[in-house]
Amino acid sequence: GDSVTQMEGPVTLSEEAFLTINCTYTATGYPSLFWYVQYPGEGLQLLLKATKADDKGSNKGFEATYRKETTSFHLEKGSVQVSDSAVYFCALSDRTFGNEKLTFGTGTRLTIIP
Amino acid sequence: DSGVTQTPKHLITATGQRVTLRCSPRSGDLSVYWYQQSLDQGLQFLIQYYNGEERAKGNILERFSAQQFPDLHSELNLSSLELGDSALYFCASSVGGGGPQETQYFGPGTRLLVL
Repeated sequence: GDSVTQMEGPVTLSEEAFLTINCTYTATGYPSLFWYVQYPGEGLQLLLKATKADDKGSNKGFEATYRKETTSFHLEKGSVQVSDSAVYFCALSDRTFGNEKLTFGTGTRLTIIP
Repeated sequence: DSGVTQTPKHLITATGQRVTLRCSPRSGDLSVYWYQQSLDQGLQFLIQYYNGEERAKGNILERFSAQQFPDLHSELNLSSLELGDSALYFCASSVGGGGPQETQYFGPGTRLLVL
């Protein structure tokens, strides 16, 4: 079945540092890929997505590129802020009718210190 | 604000009891999904409804059931509750029907505590 493997956390960085959170996937079909973020005490928010190979999703300074050859979708940000402290989830969807469910990674807790 | 609403926000109950969680999808979305987030299992898909019909089932216990009503809101019923059912339950919605533009938008969740 489909699965997502995410970089183990927690990750602690200083403000303005460069961030990478690794994500690789296994899928039987051609999935869409997502990053969701969960701020403390809140629900899941869609951060960015990519639907085909070589697509780059971006939002709020975060980027991730859909790499079919390495089955990866790593999340990056050039300069993190304290407000980026949250748990980040990589996810995939098979997106075929009847199989649109999301399969999530385990989540990576990110803490940014001033 | 994703446009998906869930009630109640918090629920505290005792073992053996039954509770109902409610979800209203974004306007125009036909699919509703339920997920459970727990410390030991992470985020797991429970069940999907599309336009009133069950579409896909995940790791949902037999003690749990769901339905989607004609106005497209959905309810998740949890019965014979056990301590291990304590978790955050999320509802998500999407346009439905599959395809590359399918994106799920999540509600704020219902935090269930079973004592």
